[in-house]
Amino acid sequence: QQQVKQSPQSLIVQKGGIPIINCAYENTAFDYFPWYQQFPGKGPALLIAIRPDVSEKKEGRFTISFNKSAKQFSLHIMDSQPGDSATYFCAASRYSSASKIIFGSGTRLSIRP
Amino acid sequence: EAGVVQSPRYKIIEKKQPVAFWCNPISGHNTLYWYLQNLGQGPELLIRYENEEAVDDSQLPKDRFSAERLKGVDSTLKIQPAELGDSAVYLCASSRGSGSYNEQFFGPGTRLTVL
Repeated sequence: QQQVKQSPQSLIVQKGGIPIINCAYENTAFDYFPWYQQFPGKGPALLIAIRPDVSEKKEGRFTISFNKSAKQFSLHIMDSQPGDSATYFCAASRYSSASKIIFGSGTRLSIRP
Repeated sequence: EAGVVQSPRYKIIEKKQPVAFWCNPISGHNTLYWYLQNLGQGPELLIRYENEEAVDDSQLPKDRFSAERLKGVDSTLKIQPAELGDSAVYLCASSRGSGSYNEQFFGPGTRLTVL
């Protein structure tokens, strides 16, 4: 019940396309869903996060869509650029407590010029 | 503002040898985390510190792993003896507090290879 399942494992998109990464969770106690971006040789960095009181959150070219009933959420990257090539991790946690963040297995995204 | 500093960046050792990793968190961050990241996987929490107290070490394999955070600032993670399966990236992160709403800032990690 602690797992966060992420797909696809890897994704190749042409520049300007809209890559979509999907995640699903089981634990209904989770109420905080962050996405992290990791470049080679670097640690993960928080990209955008959503709480279940909204169905969508947009920050710049990055959008999270959230479906509470299906226990699924996804990341969309608009007008993707080669600089967006990185590994993306979805995650889940409980917002107000000190509970640990559970990470998905990651999606390696490559944006072709 | 300086980020989380980790050293060494890379370490290669023979199995059964000891190894230690060092982390210097962002100034003012009371909460410090050590994560294990296997190749092609997301980070997994090993231990969380609130100041100098280890408040969540349930995922730390205590037979061979140990950690300390003296004076509530820098931290070290030790493995003794190392096994082949310990080859991974060890990430350190810090945050102002322990609630999930406090953003965790990650260091670049130490890549350990056990031969």
